[in-house]
Amino acid sequence: DVKVTQSSRYLVKRTGEKVFLECVQDMDHENMFWYRQDPGLGLRLIYFSYDVKMKEKGDIPEGYSVSREKKERFSLILESASTNQTSMYLCASSPGQGVLNEQFFGPGTRLTVL
Amino acid sequence: SQQGEEDPQALSIQEGENATMNCSYKTSINNLQWYRQNSGRGLVHLILIRSNEREKHSGRLRVTLDTSKKSSSLLITASRAADTASYFCATDVGSNYKLTFGKGTLLTVNP
Repeated sequence: DVKVTQSSRYLVKRTGEKVFLECVQDMDHENMFWYRQDPGLGLRLIYFSYDVKMKEKGDIPEGYSVSREKKERFSLILESASTNQTSMYLCASSPGQGVLNEQFFGPGTRLTVL
Repeated sequence: SQQGEEDPQALSIQEGENATMNCSYKTSINNLQWYRQNSGRGLVHLILIRSNEREKHSGRLRVTLDTSKKSSSLLITASRAADTASYFCATDVGSNYKLTFGKGTLLTVNP
């Protein structure tokens, strides 16, 4: 079974802190994604990566950056956390281009910024 | 802007009844997928239907796709309390790796 793991289920940080959210997948998938999920807004794509060291902005990249140094790991970075970044963060992965792109999700990290 | 929109936003039924959720989208698609999310957890893929397919079944799930109306429906037959979850449609518009998700339908199945 494909497994996508996220470093924390719950995280509490203070305004201005630098926050790292880690995601690891074990199925050699090419593509990895970070979403945030808020009530009434559904899932919104923050960033995605289709190869090591490659990244593209999603719909709401402001205030975030990402890093993909290894194929299996995709990190989301909040350079200076703000209260409006309190949310559920979901990581996902999918196989490479040319194949059906079902996405496999991690369990999510619920981040609270105080 | 949102590509897929689910309808209704919330649905409450009794165990044993059927549940139908709808998804409408705006642009041409390669495929449409349905996902389930249990409260506070990640999403789980349920079923994928390609743009040249009209109907697909998987266990108690039946998905239809009408590309002329740009809509899809998910039917869950003989629902169980364990089916209580949010259900999302997601569309692939041709990037081969990016999906756009709707806001979801919250289904509650009462025992």
